Amino acid sequence: GAVVSQHPSWVICKSGTSVKIECRSLDFQATTMFWYRQFPKQSLMLMATSNEGSKATYEQGVEKDKFLINHASLTLSTLTVTSAHPEDSSFYICSASGRNYFGPGTRLTVL
Amino acid sequence: SQQGEEDPQALSIQEGENATMNCSYKTSINNLQWYRQNSGRGLVHLILIRSNEREKHSGRLRVTLDTSKKSSSLLITASRAADTASYFCATDAGGSNYKLTFGKGTLLTVNP
Repeated sequence: GAVVSQHPSWVICKSGTSVKIECRSLDFQATTMFWYRQFPKQSLMLMATSNEGSKATYEQGVEKDKFLINHASLTLSTLTVTSAHPEDSSFYICSASGRNYFGPGTRLTVL
Repeated sequence: SQQGEEDPQALSIQEGENATMNCSYKTSINNLQWYRQNSGRGLVHLILIRSNEREKHSGRLRVTLDTSKKSSSLLITASRAADTASYFCATDAGGSNYKLTFGKGTLLTVNP
């Protein structure tokens, strides 16, 4: 079946640094990928829609200059959290084109 | 935006009992799905029900959908301790992409 991977699975960084998270579709091409964020004990909130070869579409309230999304190929989308702060600590999950294809998530902790 | 509301927010039952979780949503949907998430882990897709379907079964799972009331329920029969997890409903409005709007989730604890 379809598999979506994320890397890294967890990351700890210092405040002010940037962190890149990769989302890959392993056995299919994904023209669209979605990035979700989940704070502790809360639900998933859509951050942005990543479109291959074009700009991402951000949900209301999500800063596009802080959360940089690049979807340079049909199998890879990256989310870069720039100048991370402790309030960005969260679980980031991507999904690819199909409704059931979620990655395993990346836990970001900003100290 | 958060569309779905799960009810209850938390549910604690004994092994062998049935667990029922409800989800309500606000706008028209194309599909509704239920997911399970173990603590700190990724999502596991459980079942999808289309807007023109009223009930669907998968193993010990039964999902109902009432589009007139904009609500869905997930029933887990003969629960097991391994069913302990958070359960989320998610809706999509159809079209060429599958952007999902998640409910707030129900934390189910099944006590052995």
